[in-house]
Amino acid sequence: DTEVTQTPKHLVMGMTNKKSLKCEQHMGHRAMYWYKQKAKKPPELMFVYSYEKLSINESVPSRFSPECPNSSLLNLHLHALQPEDSALYLCASSPMGVNEKLFFGSGTQLSVL
Amino acid sequence: GENVEQHPSTLSVQEGDSAVIKCTYSDSASNYFPWYKQELGKRPQLIIDIRSNVGEKKDQRIAVTLNKTAKHFSLHITETQPEDSAVYFCAARIQGAQKLVFGQGTRLTINP
Repeated sequence: DTEVTQTPKHLVMGMTNKKSLKCEQHMGHRAMYWYKQKAKKPPELMFVYSYEKLSINESVPSRFSPECPNSSLLNLHLHALQPEDSALYLCASSPMGVNEKLFFGSGTQLSVL
Repeated sequence: GENVEQHPSTLSVQEGDSAVIKCTYSDSASNYFPWYKQELGKRPQLIIDIRSNVGEKKDQRIAVTLNKTAKHFSLHITETQPEDSAVYFCAARIQGAQKLVFGQGTRLTINP
């Protein structure tokens, strides 16, 4: 298995909802990432987990809460989001040093109403 | 902090011709430079990368060159094909910062 799998592919939520994005990889990668990508823009780093510990938080608002239950799984818990949080949320993993040779998932297209 | 400028923002070439995309970075401590290809509606995919101790790297029709003195690196695609049409992002990683900084992207269109 050489893929990063993300679910759901699409998500519509209201500003008072709580939802979670899920990411899974079975490549033995020990670094996992959450990125946010707006249309026609590059991916923006949100969080990095290295060996299941949060190593980088790019000053992301607390309405986004990451979780790494084990070395294969990464979650992003969403609560009280704003319409401007609508974007493509990409998960990635890497086999080597942090931020090298990233494998991206297909993303979750999130719409906040 | 690190800043990566990418040019051009759009590029249109005839099938079979070459395409060149250039990026300039600001921090001389940057030590790793990947290129990602993102087709419409798809995930970004790493196509080639280079470290700061190497001047050039080639993989079939794709090559990357790095000029550390000038702080710029370029992606070269030869014998372009329609499937090369995509948005290409360069990135730079600052040693110790553990963060990739992406350029703004280049939309490459290959005309048949």
